[in-house]
Amino acid sequence: NAGVMQNPRHLVRRRGQEARLRCSPMKGHSHVYWYRQLPEEGLKFMVYLQKENIIDESGMPKERFSAEFPKEGPSILRIQQVVRGDSAAYFCASSLIGDETQYFGPGTRLLVL
Amino acid sequence: SQQGEEDPQALSIQEGENATMNCSYKTSINNLQWYRQNSGRGLVHLILIRSNEREKHSGRLRVTLDTSKKSSSLLITASRAADTASYFCGVGAQKLVFGQGTRLTINP
Repeated sequence: NAGVMQNPRHLVRRRGQEARLRCSPMKGHSHVYWYRQLPEEGLKFMVYLQKENIIDESGMPKERFSAEFPKEGPSILRIQQVVRGDSAAYFCASSLIGDETQYFGPGTRLLVL
Repeated sequence: SQQGEEDPQALSIQEGENATMNCSYKTSINNLQWYRQNSGRGLVHLILIRSNEREKHSGRLRVTLDTSKKSSSLLITASRAADTASYFCGVGAQKLVFGQGTRLTINP
């Protein structure tokens, strides 16, 4: 049973470009969460999604950031017009319905030049 | 906020010794989860302890929870070099809130 998969593992973008981060949850998991980790810090919650629904986006910056989890395919975290401050590791986690244990992927490390 | 705060921030011990890390939080919780993060990697789930549990074991790991003090501890017994990592506690339901973690170094 494959774990949570994220790609790309590393992403380099220039300021003003778009970054698209993908997350495939564990098989059977219908809940997806995105977190951001700055160097030497803990993870900060961004958004919680179920299939085709955003449940809690209280941690998402108001501008430039969006997330989706379509009926088919991976969850996507999209960052438009990236700035240097967006450089961080972005982690996706997934869980089963009714299970509060979250299983994390390996992360995508975004570097904005 | 429910933020989990780990202490100490850093801990360095000799291989074979026990390591204890603590986590404090602010509001009532349904459960608390401990995770390990190796450098440059994702988080690995270690243990989930529910609010009605006081202690839980998994191999060399022992987690305690004191809801009256709003604190939890993670004990790693007979530490190994491979235990070198950062350890985080996460509190919350779907929206996990983490502290800055405890960086544990096991010296051979």
